[in-house]
Amino acid sequence: DIQMTQSPASLSASLEEIVTITCQASQDIGNWLAWYQQKPGKSPQLLIYGATSLADGVPSRFSGSRSGTQYSLKISRLQVEDIGIYYCLQAYSAPYTFGAGTKLELK
Amino acid sequence: QVQLKETGPGLVQPTQTLSITCTVSGFSLTSYYMQWVRQTPGKGLEWMGFIRSGGSTEYNSEFKSRLSISRDTSKNQVFLKMNSLKTEDTGVYYCAREEQLYAAMDAWGQGASVTVSS
Repeated sequence: DIQMTQSPASLSASLEEIVTITCQASQDIGNWLAWYQQKPGKSPQLLIYGATSLADGVPSRFSGSRSGTQYSLKISRLQVEDIGIYYCLQAYSAPYTFGAGTKLELK
Repeated sequence: QVQLKETGPGLVQPTQTLSITCTVSGFSLTSYYMQWVRQTPGKGLEWMGFIRSGGSTEYNSEFKSRLSISRDTSKNQVFLKMNSLKTEDTGVYYCAREEQLYAAMDAWGQGASVTVSS
C-alpha cells in the first residue's frame, strides 16, 4: 500500500499568514493527489485535484504543487474560514490512502 | 443540484451487519464512480471501496471479505453492507462521488454516524 506522510500534524498561524502543508508519498503517484478541507461536524470538501488544479468555488488563495513525490498545499493569506483539518489523498492505486491530517488553528 | 445523503441504523450490535444507503440526485450513477469513506477515532479517514460507473467494485483489503458495495441505478441508490461489526467500526460513514478524470471526490454526503455497541 502507498503511504502518505502528512506534516505538520498541527499548525497555529495568524490571519493573513502564509501556510504550507505537505504530504510525502512512499512511491511515485504522478499527479493523482487531492487535498480536502474538513470543518468540525462536516464532511470533507475538495480543494485541489490533480495535485495542482483548484476545485470549483475554492478561493484562489489555495494552491497545490508537486516536487517529485512531495506534494504541498499552500494558503497564501490565511482567513478565519480556513480553520479546520486538511487531508491529502492519493488515488493512484487502490487502496486509496489519506494522510493523517493537519489541524490548522488561529494563533 | 448534486446531492448525496446517507441513511443508516445509528446503533449496531457487535457481530451484526451494518447497512447504509446513499441516495443521490442531480447526476447519474452510470457516469461516476461512487466511493465509501469512513472516519473513525482510531484511524481517521479511511478509504473503504468504490463501485465503478459500469457496476464493478474495488475494496480495501483491510476489510477483507466483510464489505460489499452495490447499487440500484433505477432508485439512484448505492449500498454499503459490512458484516461482523466490531466496536472499532464505530465512526461516520460517507459516500462520495468521484470525478473519474482526476479521481477526485468532488461531492460528499453529510455522513451516517454509526455506533457499534451492545
